[in-house]
Amino acid sequence: ILNVEQSPQSLHVQEGDSTNFTCSFPSSNFYALHWYRWETAKSPEALFVMTLNGDEKKKGRISATLNTKEGYSYLYIKGSQPEDSATYLCALNTGNQFYFGTGTSLTVIP
Amino acid sequence: DSGVTQTPKHLITATGQRVTLRCSPRSGDLSVYWYQQSLDQGLQFLIQYYNGEERAKGNILERFSAQQFPDLHSELNLSSLELGDSALYFCASSPKTVGGEAEGNEQFFGPGTRLTVL
Repeated sequence: ILNVEQSPQSLHVQEGDSTNFTCSFPSSNFYALHWYRWETAKSPEALFVMTLNGDEKKKGRISATLNTKEGYSYLYIKGSQPEDSATYLCALNTGNQFYFGTGTSLTVIP
Repeated sequence: DSGVTQTPKHLITATGQRVTLRCSPRSGDLSVYWYQQSLDQGLQFLIQYYNGEERAKGNILERFSAQQFPDLHSELNLSSLELGDSALYFCASSPKTVGGEAEGNEQFFGPGTRLTVL
């Protein structure tokens, strides 16, 4: 079993602030690192699939980077908005299965 | 709407019983994944099927089984149910298999089936 850790567990920021959180994993031998956004009472929504060391992906105000050598990925949100409030999950795809972190719960205060 | 459908939405049953959860993937997706989310745990990967064949297995109990049919819909069978099996069960689909090319293989999640075992 691989331990995928996310920090912080929860985060409250003011509207307009930029924020970032971390996904750490022990293995550099994997197929991909996935990021998901999960709003309350909905199902997880895919944000990014990252495969290469140094990968940087961007979707609007959200971006992510991947460092496979040191085993972490960062998710950045620029100019947070209340609609960004959600739990952000990362998952390691080892080629055999997916290992999910427990998520970072983000609350953006208007 | 992700395009993945799951039925039923809610299921209440008793210990010892057997239930079947159903998932229809997005049109064109060949892979189906099953996940369990219990109250005190994150998402746990159970099993994955690709084009009718089992491709990856996670923390799935022996009392649980799944299959993917020729029309690509999948069913998760849970038997000899225990109180601890109460959870939200998600199905997800993607175009390719878990061990294949990861780019473009995002998973799309269904709305989930909430199982309550009394």
